[in-house]
Amino acid sequence: GAGVSQSPSNKVTEKGKDVELRCDPISGHTALYWYRQRLGQGLEFLIYFQGNSAPDKSGLPSDRFSAERTGESVSTLTIQRTQQEDSAVYLCASSLWRGGTDTQYFGPGTRLTVL
Amino acid sequence: RKEVEQDPGPFNVPEGATVAFNCTYSNSASQSFFWYRQDCRKEPKLLMSVYSSGNEDGRFTAQLNRASQYISLLIRDSKLSDSATYLCVVNIWPSGGSYIPTFGRGTSLIVHP
Repeated sequence: GAGVSQSPSNKVTEKGKDVELRCDPISGHTALYWYRQRLGQGLEFLIYFQGNSAPDKSGLPSDRFSAERTGESVSTLTIQRTQQEDSAVYLCASSLWRGGTDTQYFGPGTRLTVL
Repeated sequence: RKEVEQDPGPFNVPEGATVAFNCTYSNSASQSFFWYRQDCRKEPKLLMSVYSSGNEDGRFTAQLNRASQYISLLIRDSKLSDSATYLCVVNIWPSGGSYIPTFGRGTSLIVHP
């Protein structure tokens, strides 16, 4: 079946502009995660959604970052007033929620470049 | 100190070699453990979960040592196709806090002919 999809695959923007990244999880997966991976670095956890519960936003690096999810489907990660340090690959993953013991399936990522 | 630490490598080994990676974690609220594999400029993919009793999948063996707070991955008979970055993942449930999936920075493996 279809995996996790993300769009756009690449995004180049100018400093100060807002960007919106989209994630379509695997159908039926109740949990959805966002990560950031800078070049040569590990994955930095940003936020996760589980069902209809309010997400824990404490991992978001600044108030310029926000994320939403509509029910158990599409999620968008919005970065306002982008800065050069926001340049990274933004990865989305989804899973069947089993209390943290579940496998995460990753999308191909969105490569964001802020000029 | 980082929550999850890995030796970044690279580990450069010949085909057929046995290689082992360790990953240490600092939070005793850690409850589940995984190894993911990430190829260059690709997304991570699950390699295997790590169970308390240890588990094996073909040439790959994963073990958990809760007392010393580390997990390990052993690869036997290395293949060229094993070349990748291996990410340790620890899911943490801090008391009174929300679940936090925590990735290590990864260990790079290069298998050469």
